[in-house]
Amino acid sequence: EAEVAQSPRYKITEKSQAVAFWCDPISGHATLYWYRQILGQGPELLVQFQDESVVDDSQLPKDRFSAERLKGVDSTLKIQPAELGDSAMYLCASSSRRMIDTEAFFGQGTRLTVV
Amino acid sequence: QKEVEQDPGPLSVPEGAIVSLNCTYSNSAFQYFMWYRQYSRKGPELLMYTYSSGNKEDGRFTAQVDKSSKYISLFIRDSQPSDSATYLCAMGVSDMRFGAGTRLTVKP
Repeated sequence: EAEVAQSPRYKITEKSQAVAFWCDPISGHATLYWYRQILGQGPELLVQFQDESVVDDSQLPKDRFSAERLKGVDSTLKIQPAELGDSAMYLCASSSRRMIDTEAFFGQGTRLTVV
Repeated sequence: QKEVEQDPGPLSVPEGAIVSLNCTYSNSAFQYFMWYRQYSRKGPELLMYTYSSGNKEDGRFTAQVDKSSKYISLFIRDSQPSDSATYLCAMGVSDMRFGAGTRLTVKP
């Protein structure tokens, strides 16, 4: 069964260091999302891609976060420098078309701990 | 006020009970509605997807959407211990807005 792949599953990093997460969506899915989920809360959208283009990054803290999807397939989310408050689960999701048309599927997430 | 409100629980029921989970929302533009199940330390898993108002049934699960009241529900019949998880409602127009999730425990 096709699934969204994320790596690493777990990451521990020191404050002020750089960290990167990788996501490989389901084959053929044009839309890719990065969400952040703080423990005990629902996921919050960070950035949405349609193919290689960013369509919504209004909630992405651009002073320290960046995201790219250069060839419109896999994607990388980077944090530099990491802060204690960035500790959370980072989730990637993909859908075959715009969200309004179809459901989205999530990966297993990357759990980040900043110490 | 948050766009999507969901009681975080926790909710504990005996095996075989009917479970009712609910969310309210404020944005009347929301067109599609989803329920996700999330086990501890895992990514959310899609349970139900509904476009606009109405009911949808899938096995033991029934999703209801009442756009006039801005209220959605998920019912679980004959609940099982394996249903113990956090249930997230999600809704939107071009992206998903999530509730905080309700933690459910089904006791044998």
